Amino acid sequence: AQRVTQPEKLLSVFKGAPVELKCNYSYSGSPELFWYVQYSRQRLQLLLRHISRESIKGFTADLNKGETSFHLKKPFAQEEDSAMYYCVTGFQKLVFGTGTRLLVSP
Amino acid sequence: DTGVSQDPRHKITKRGQNVTFRCDPISEHNRLYWYRQTLGQGPEFLTYFQNEAQLEKSRLLSDRFSAERPKGSFSTLEIQRTEQGDSAMYLCASSLPAVNTEAFFGQGTRLTVV
Repeated sequence: AQRVTQPEKLLSVFKGAPVELKCNYSYSGSPELFWYVQYSRQRLQLLLRHISRESIKGFTADLNKGETSFHLKKPFAQEEDSAMYYCVTGFQKLVFGTGTRLLVSP
Repeated sequence: DTGVSQDPRHKITKRGQNVTFRCDPISEHNRLYWYRQTLGQGPEFLTYFQNEAQLEKSRLLSDRFSAERPKGSFSTLEIQRTEQGDSAMYLCASSLPAVNTEAFFGQGTRLTVV
């Protein structure tokens, strides 16, 4: 079955520090992978998807098939990045990880 | 707001009562999903529809739960004989049927069973 693992429940950094939110997936073949984000009092929304190879709000995520990872990275965190981040996989339906809360302090 | 809407936003009910939630997806989206989220967990898949057809149901969806999408537009999720363990946020999402497409989420219905 498709599954993603996010080992950190909370990641706390200072503004300007680099950020890496970890995600490992378990899926044979070519995985469909996404990062979704939920800001305070807002609905879940797509941040980025692996197939697009895009950078959104300064975040990037590279698929590493050898390590079965899809870590989310940003070189310089901003306070407005504080949110709940979910690594997600899925083809017909989305399967969510347990989420990592990112807290960026001034 | 032309996004996914859910009604009600909050529901408090007594154990044993039936409750029904409604989801209105984005109009051109023919896929509709239901998820449940409890504290400290990510959203858990419950079921999804493509148009009016219910294509998959999770084992989490016991026989007390039923979902419908009669005309391929809005959907309802009913829980019969509610239990305290049903207390959760129920999320609805919709999308186009393409692979790697974005799912758009509603704000959820928070159910509290007392």
